[in-house]
Amino acid sequence: AQSVTQPDIHITVSEGASLELRCNYSYGATPYLFWYVQSPGQGLQLLLKYFSGDTLVQGIKGFEAEFKRSQSSFNLRKPSVHWSDAAEYFCAVLNTGFQKLVFGTGTRLLVSP
Amino acid sequence: DAMVIQNPRYQVTQFGKPVTLSCSQTLNHNVMYWYQQKSSQAPKLLFHYYDKDFNNEADTPDNFQSRRPNTSFCFLDIRSPGLGDAAMYLCATSRTLREGNTEAFFGQGTRLTVV
Repeated sequence: AQSVTQPDIHITVSEGASLELRCNYSYGATPYLFWYVQSPGQGLQLLLKYFSGDTLVQGIKGFEAEFKRSQSSFNLRKPSVHWSDAAEYFCAVLNTGFQKLVFGTGTRLLVSP
Repeated sequence: DAMVIQNPRYQVTQFGKPVTLSCSQTLNHNVMYWYQQKSSQAPKLLFHYYDKDFNNEADTPDNFQSRRPNTSFCFLDIRSPGLGDAAMYLCATSRTLREGNTEAFFGQGTRLTVV
C-alpha cells in the first residue's frame, strides 16, 4: 500500500526567506505525486504534480518541487515566501492500480513578518 | 466557474438524524472521491468511484454510504451521525489514468456539525 510522510507538522519562515517542505513517499511502482495547498475552511488547490520526465517541476504561485527516486522524496520549495503563503500544505501519492489518492499528514506553514 | 460543487457549505444535523451531502461536477470526470477531514488532520479517503467500480476503504464505518446516480452527481449519506462524525467532507474528481492528466479537482467542502 502507498503512504506519504511529511515529517514537519509546523514550519515558521520569515517573509522573504526561502522555504522547503519535506515529503517522503512509499509506493512500489512509479509514483504520481502531488502537492496541494489548503487555506482555512477551504478545499484543496493543486500546486504542482509529477508524473514522469523532468524531475524538477514548476507549479503555481512560484512553487517548485524536485522528485528524487533514490530518496523517495518530493520536496516542495519556494525561493521567497510571501505572507499569503501561510496555509496547510499536503503531499499526496496516487495508487495507479486503484486510482486512489492518499495524502500525507500535512505541514502548516506560518510566515512571520 | 466552479467545477466541483458541494452543497451545502455548512450543514448542522442532530445526533442520530440521517444526513446527505451532495457533490456535482461539470468536468465529466469518471473518478470521484469522498474524503473526511477533521480539524488539523489530513484528508482521509472514505470511498471512491473508479469508472463504474465503487471502492470502499476498509476502515470506513458502515454508518457511511455513498451513491452515484450518474457521472455528474455523487452523494454521501451518514445514516446515524455521531459527534465524532463532525468534520469537513471533501469531494474531488479526476480523469482516469488512461485518459491522462489525472490531477484531482476539489470542491470547497461541506462542514458538518453534529449537535
